[in-house]
Amino acid sequence: GAVVSQHPSRVICKSGTSVKIECRSLDFQATTMFWYRQFPKQSLMLMATSNEGSKATYEQGVEKDKFLINHASLTLSTLTVTSAHPEDSSFYICSASGTSGGARADTQYFGPGTRLTVL
Amino acid sequence: RKEVEQDPGPFNVPEGATVAFNCTYSNSASQSFFWYRQDCRKEPKLLMSVYSSGNEDGRFTAQLNRASQYISLLIRDSKLSDSATYLCVVNKGTGGFKTIFGAGTRLFVKA
Repeated sequence: GAVVSQHPSRVICKSGTSVKIECRSLDFQATTMFWYRQFPKQSLMLMATSNEGSKATYEQGVEKDKFLINHASLTLSTLTVTSAHPEDSSFYICSASGTSGGARADTQYFGPGTRLTVL
Repeated sequence: RKEVEQDPGPFNVPEGATVAFNCTYSNSASQSFFWYRQDCRKEPKLLMSVYSSGNEDGRFTAQLNRASQYISLLIRDSKLSDSATYLCVVNKGTGGFKTIFGAGTRLFVKA
């Protein structure tokens, strides 16, 4: 139980385009979803936390107009990287927590990540 | 001082060795504790929760010492497949808790 999927797994795009990444909880209701970014050989960096139906809470230094987060349902959150640039190239990982389907509210279950390369 | 501190390693051990990872956290109000494992270019995966009473799962044993604000992970009889980065994770607060990840400890198990 507590499976999280993420799509796409890999994307290559041109500078200036926007990229949307989807995160889904498959067998539980995700009351909270988290978006992380990880650069090579560095630790996870939390970008934002979103609760279903509410605006996301962004971490300091993360531009909310550049990284648009929508958590429209209890099973889906999306991250849109707008006007992507090469410095946005990174590994983006979502996670979710919830209380149904074997999930624990205090535990984060991670999606497989999306590797973004901006040319 | 970081809220969650881990020895970055790397730890290089032979197969069959016992290896221990340590983690300290600064917020005494922290509520729940976990060890995650992250393989290269993959997402973190929950390894085990950590309780004051200790938690054992096969070759893995996790311990929590609230008084010292210290968490440990012991891996016995190391396998090549144990090579990964081990992340110490602490939740602080209740309800709208905040999760703090350690930077991770890298482990290389060699034949």
